[in-house]
Amino acid sequence: DAGITQSPRYKITETGRQVTLMCHQTWSHSYMFWYRQDLGHGLRLIYYSAAADITDKGEVPDGYVVSRSKTENFPLTLESATRSQTSVYFCASSSFGGGASRNEQFFGPGTRLTVL
Amino acid sequence: SQQGEEDPQALSIQEGENATMNCSYKTSINNLQWYRQNSGRGLVHLILIRSNEREKHSGRLRVTLDTSKKSSSLLITASRAADTASYFCATAPSGTYKYIFGTGTRLKVLA
Repeated sequence: DAGITQSPRYKITETGRQVTLMCHQTWSHSYMFWYRQDLGHGLRLIYYSAAADITDKGEVPDGYVVSRSKTENFPLTLESATRSQTSVYFCASSSFGGGASRNEQFFGPGTRLTVL
Repeated sequence: SQQGEEDPQALSIQEGENATMNCSYKTSINNLQWYRQNSGRGLVHLILIRSNEREKHSGRLRVTLDTSKKSSSLLITASRAADTASYFCATAPSGTYKYIFGTGTRLKVLA
């Protein structure tokens, strides 16, 4: 399917477990982003990637790891999940960077993660 | 306050009325974007305004940008029940890709 997809859509895990959230886009967009959305905080950037093998930290990177071996995939790993990481996670992609005139982001449907 | 903070947090209007929401930010930017989020869904891009633009229109949407005040407003004219959603502004400090979204304005349009 064309577009940007996330899997799983829902996940329940336990404190201390490793969890990987997947993001896949079919547009060959260079830039990809991971956000978390919590009540009262809006969306906060966790990590972003400008191209394969190029990643950088966002506002709230602690406790998360990303990789980007292929342009179309941008997995987010919680190495040892904590209750504070219970959130809705959104992946997004864009064909240009933040400085360009056309850099709208296309969002996936989100993954609702609960850490018990 | 955080960069990209929206005001008001919630807004309830009647169908056909106009809805105005505001956004403030803190750093210099190349552009400001507005997104919409229906409940439980991902965000959808509405409109982008560049830092050298003061006003932009798209259908029933009008966006203004005042870089001297570091603020923007989104006006939705002749609102419809289907406009019920949360609206977010997004900015990235010039030269970075570190987007910051505000906490959003929850708009409810009553039929």
